[in-house]
Order: sequence, then C-alpha cells, then structure tokens
Amino acid sequence: GDSVTQMEGPVTLSEEAFLTINCTYTATGYPSLFWYVQYPGEGLQLLLKATKADDKGSNKGFEATYRKETTSFHLEKGSVQVSDSAVYFCALGRGKLIFGQGTTLQVKP
Amino acid sequence: NAGVTQTPKFQVLKTGQSMTLQCAQDMNHEYMSWYRQDPGMGLRLIHYSVGAGITDQGEVPNGYNVSRSTTEDFPLRLLSAAPSQTSVYFCASRRTGENTGELFFGEGSRLTVL
Repeated sequence: GDSVTQMEGPVTLSEEAFLTINCTYTATGYPSLFWYVQYPGEGLQLLLKATKADDKGSNKGFEATYRKETTSFHLEKGSVQVSDSAVYFCALGRGKLIFGQGTTLQVKP
Repeated sequence: NAGVTQTPKFQVLKTGQSMTLQCAQDMNHEYMSWYRQDPGMGLRLIHYSVGAGITDQGEVPNGYNVSRSTTEDFPLRLLSAAPSQTSVYFCASRRTGENTGELFFGEGSRLTVL
C-alpha cells in the first residue's frame, strides 16, 4: 500500500541555517503530496502542497518539489528562524491522507 | 471562526471504561476523519466519513466506533478503553470533491488509559 518515509529527527539548527527535511513515498499512480506543520500544543496545519509531478509548493519561505523520478518531496528553507521550531509531517493522498512519522525541528538563536 | 472543535482536551480513563471524544466543525465540510498520533508513528487514520450516514474504517479502527448523524458532528467512541489507546487524537475535516484540498485539524484530545 501507499506509504511515506521521512528522515528521523530531531533536527537541530542555528538560526539562519539552511533546512532540508527528506521525504520519500511509495504510491500507485500520482497522488497529491503535502507538508503539514504542528506547533507545540496545536493541531496540524497545511504548510504547502503539490498536486502533480514537477509542481513546486511554497509558503512562508518553505519549498518542496514533487519529484516523480525519485519519488520524493523534500522540504527546504533557505534561512530558518526560531519561530520555525515545530514538527513537520509529509503526507500523500487523494482524499484519505497518509502521513509520515514526523520530523521535529528545533532552531536555536 | 471556530473551525474544528474537539472536546475534551484531556481525559484520563481506567481500563475497561468507555467514553466519547466529540468533534464538531462549522465549515459545512462533508468529509471528517479521526487520527491518532503516537511517538514515532506519525498520524494514523482510525475512521472517516464522507457525509452524514456514511462512515468507513481507516488503518487502525479496532476498539473504536463512529457515527455521523449530522454534517457537523463526528464523535469517536471507545467502548472498553485499553492502555494501548493512550494517545493524542485529532479530528480533521475538508470539503468533499476536493481530494487535494486542505485538511483542517482540531487542537487534539490527549487520552491516558491507566
């Protein structure tokens, strides 16, 4: 069945560092891909999405490109801030969403 | 601007007790779902519904019941709680017909079963 694998965390970075969180998937067909973010004590909220191959989703300085050939959807940000500290979830689906295990990001001043 | 509202936020149960986690949304979303979040496991789908009177099982449905009598409400019932059901539970909804649409999440309900 469909599945999502994320890099294990936690990831600890200094402010203004470059961020990459890896996400790879296994799926039949071409599902939509998503990144959700969960701030402490809150529910998940959509960060960005891509609905077809080679699409790039972007929001709040974060980007991810839907790569069919490598079945990947890596999340990147050029310069992280302390306020980006959160848990990031990669997900795929066409209705029902399947989530990865989540990657905790901690950004230190 | 309520969105998805879950109650209670925290609950402690003893093994064998029953309870219902409530979920309500005011966005007229037809699709509603329940997930559980466990460390290292991400979010796993328990049950979902595509409209009033229609429910279906997700990845981990055992030990949980749901019903959908109205568009707004989607309660999750634990008939006989077990320690393995200790988790954080999230309700989420979206509009149907938008499979690529955003899922809106509640703030979660933290359940501990002793």
